[in-house]
Amino acid sequence: NAGVTQTPKFQVLKTGQSMTLQCAQDMNHEYMSWYRQDPGMGLRLIHYSVGAGITDQGEVPNGYNVSRSTTEDFPLRLLSAAPSQTSVYFCASSYVGGGRSMSYSPLHFGNGTRLTVT
Amino acid sequence: GDSVTQMEGPVTLSEEAFLTINCTYTATGYPSLFWYVQYPGEGLQLLLKATKADDKGSNKGFEATYRKETTSFHLEKGSVQVSDSAVYFCALSSSGSARQLTFGSGTQLTVLP
Repeated sequence: NAGVTQTPKFQVLKTGQSMTLQCAQDMNHEYMSWYRQDPGMGLRLIHYSVGAGITDQGEVPNGYNVSRSTTEDFPLRLLSAAPSQTSVYFCASSYVGGGRSMSYSPLHFGNGTRLTVT
Repeated sequence: GDSVTQMEGPVTLSEEAFLTINCTYTATGYPSLFWYVQYPGEGLQLLLKATKADDKGSNKGFEATYRKETTSFHLEKGSVQVSDSAVYFCALSSSGSARQLTFGSGTQLTVLP
């Protein structure tokens, strides 16, 4: 059981380049999300999805796009990278509902992608 | 809005020492509270949770009690081990689920043999 898989682990971009961070989960979780982790700031929610075809913005969505065409995959796109997007990015997933116990299903995190924009 | 404040790190302890990491929160209503742990090179893992006032979450020797009167959820362990070295995050959810989380800034713990 692989859990949440993120690729690549490391990436260096030049300002203005575009790229896609991949996230896949094999737990049949409806809910998926992207966070960025910056020193001294904890994790901040970028975008999330409660199922295929449904996405919504989190706390810091500007500069990022997402789509959810399948339950398993939730890619994060940077259309024009900026140095302010240098960060560690985490994808996380969980169940959505199905009773009281399911509503407290914890987030399962991937191992992160470390992105540097120069 | 919701916010979580954790004690500043880093924290360095000797093996078998007592650990306390302070966490206080600001939130509307009755949030659920969580501690997540991040080991080097890995993603976050849920360590423990509490969903209502006076609940005590516990796991792997760690404990935290949901104190509504002081809006706190301090993490404690009686005897730390080298393997406990990690970053610890306090988090809350006001939405009634474990998904929409507001995280604290994290506390780096290093345990020396």
